[in-house]
Amino acid sequence: QVQLQESGPGLVKPSETLSLTCTVSGGSVSTDSYYWNWLRQSPGKGLEWIGYVFHSGTTHYNPSLESRVTISVDTSKNQFSLKLTSVMSADTAIYYCARNLLVPTERYFDLWGRGTLVTVSS
Amino acid sequence: EIVLTQSPGTLSLSPGERATLSCRASQSVGTRFLAWYQHKPGQAPRLLIYGASSRAAGIADRFSGSGSGTDFTLTISRLEPEDFAVYYCQQYSGTLPWTFGQGTKVEI
Repeated sequence: QVQLQESGPGLVKPSETLSLTCTVSGGSVSTDSYYWNWLRQSPGKGLEWIGYVFHSGTTHYNPSLESRVTISVDTSKNQFSLKLTSVMSADTAIYYCARNLLVPTERYFDLWGRGTLVTVSS
Repeated sequence: EIVLTQSPGTLSLSPGERATLSCRASQSVGTRFLAWYQHKPGQAPRLLIYGASSRAAGIADRFSGSGSGTDFTLTISRLEPEDFAVYYCQQYSGTLPWTFGQGTKVEI
């Protein structure tokens, strides 16, 4: 079965760049069926969608983060990645990767990773 | 951006009781572009309901969803011990960004 696993540093200094990778196992990131997403949950807050990438490299981001976010895909490694620049304490969160179908009526997130905690602190 | 407001924030119930969770949208998300997730600490969120009322694969039939437009409900008919968790609604209408409610914690 398909599984998603987030990885990356758990501590990032303010003003630096947060970089995370999601590895897809048991399936292919190159499928035409799915978008590959990043989401996060800040302490005491709800879930926030950050953006998605398609295997072609097409992306779409949440306007609230768009100026600082880049999501990319590496089909040779079966991975996709998140970069968030100029981080601040408000970016401290559990970061999740997840997939959703391309079909407009089915864009719920049917598979998630367990998440990885990233703390922004000097 | 469509804002989803969940109520109550916390629901204190006992095993065997019925849980009714509400999700209200700031504008219509149509008849089916609403999903519900269960989330336990340290675990991946799990899809329960999509299309407002369709159960995801492997989800027990004690979970049911209803509603359309701006008002949606998740009902757990008889709580099992493993059902105590946080539940989120999410809209995936054509209006990006996709958004989530702030969650309802179901506790003993």
